[in-house]
Amino acid sequence: EPEVTQTPSHQVTQMGQEVILRCVPISNHLYFYWYRQILGQKVEFLVSFYNNEISEKSEIFDDQFSVERPDGSNFTLKIRSTKLEDSAMYFCASKLGEVDWGNTIYFGEGSWLTVV
Amino acid sequence: LAKTTQPISMDSYEGQEVNITCSHNNIATNDYITWYQQFPSQGPRFIIQGYKTKVTNEVASLFIPADRKSSTLSLPRVSLSDTAVYYCLVGDVRAGGTSYGKLTFGQGTILTVHP
Repeated sequence: EPEVTQTPSHQVTQMGQEVILRCVPISNHLYFYWYRQILGQKVEFLVSFYNNEISEKSEIFDDQFSVERPDGSNFTLKIRSTKLEDSAMYFCASKLGEVDWGNTIYFGEGSWLTVV
Repeated sequence: LAKTTQPISMDSYEGQEVNITCSHNNIATNDYITWYQQFPSQGPRFIIQGYKTKVTNEVASLFIPADRKSSTLSLPRVSLSDTAVYYCLVGDVRAGGTSYGKLTFGQGTILTVHP
């Protein structure tokens, strides 16, 4: 079964450092997302991406965050200058879209980011 | 966005059927109902999605009454490995829909299956 893959599975970084989390969405999917989950808290929406541009973003997704689809397969989340409160599990997700049976959003296993 | 309310926790025993009910009184016309399962330190895993009436797949059934103000996820014959958090989400996940498929997660229902 096709799946969303994410790397790294776990990253420890120092406060102020830049971090790039990588995702390979399910091939032929057209909608891409990043969510995050702080330990013990709810899964929170960060951003959605469609047709090579951000379609929606949350208040969490400030100027320190950016997303990119550099080629036909990867989808990245960059945090420019990490803060302690960015420590969380980050989930990439994708959806086929475009057809009635393509409404399901599939999540990756997550990248656990620890900022020290 | 339609708000959902579901029990904080439920307990069951192996082999039993589990029904988790979610209320979504202000569901919109274009909203779908989607259930996800999440194990600790893993990503949410899609279980089932529906719009109205009943949907069944190989792992669960989803019952949606005519007014769509609630839904019930039914897990037949649960096992210990079904212990997880279950989320009920409501939103317009259609292609080109109003929210581009943004999902708003609540706290979910912690299901604990006992031997």
